Amino acid sequence: QLQLQESGPGLVKPSETLSLTCTVSGGSISRSSYYWAWIRQTPGKGLEWIGSIYYTGSTDYNPSLKSRIIISVDTSKKQFSLKLSSVTAADTAVYYCARHLNREPFDSWGQGTLVTVSS
Amino acid sequence: EIVMTQSPATLSVSPGERATLSCRASQSVGTNLAWYQQKPGQSPRLLIFGAFTRATGLPARFSGSGSGTEFTLTVSSLQSDDFAIYYCQQYNYWPSSTFGPGTKVDIK
Repeated sequence: QLQLQESGPGLVKPSETLSLTCTVSGGSISRSSYYWAWIRQTPGKGLEWIGSIYYTGSTDYNPSLKSRIIISVDTSKKQFSLKLSSVTAADTAVYYCARHLNREPFDSWGQGTLVTVSS
Repeated sequence: EIVMTQSPATLSVSPGERATLSCRASQSVGTNLAWYQQKPGQSPRLLIFGAFTRATGLPARFSGSGSGTEFTLTVSSLQSDDFAIYYCQQYNYWPSSTFGPGTKVDIK
């Protein structure tokens, strides 16, 4: 059974870079047709898709966040990662990693990790 | 950006009753519409995709309908396990997939 697990610091200072990693188990991160995504959830803005990556490294980013995002994949470690730069309090959220087919909904999710931006 | 709205914000229903949740898109999304269920402390769970196709293992009491800009999720007879927040998501426009604000279904 596919499992996704987010990891990373729970506290990030304003103006710094948020870094998270998602580890995939119970399935292949290199499986054809599947994309790997980051989604965040805040009380104010609700659920927001951040971006997705294919195992080849091809990415799609939310235009509203594109200038601050880098998503990368390491197939040897079965991991993909998110870097969000120049964070502010508005980036405080629960961050989820998830899986989806190309331009399809998210069919598997990690449990989520809370990241707080505060000095 | 496609704006998704959901109504009502909160729906109070007695167990065994029918629940009807609405989702509206600011532009047509065809049938590229999904529904998710989220319980406290858990991640969202995909229920419906393609506006009306149930995810594997989803009970038949859940059904989706609609196309274009108007969509409905119906739970024919609410069970105690169904009290949760439900979100719709349009995935017709990539890379600008967007979610609705959610409808909370609670016990009347």
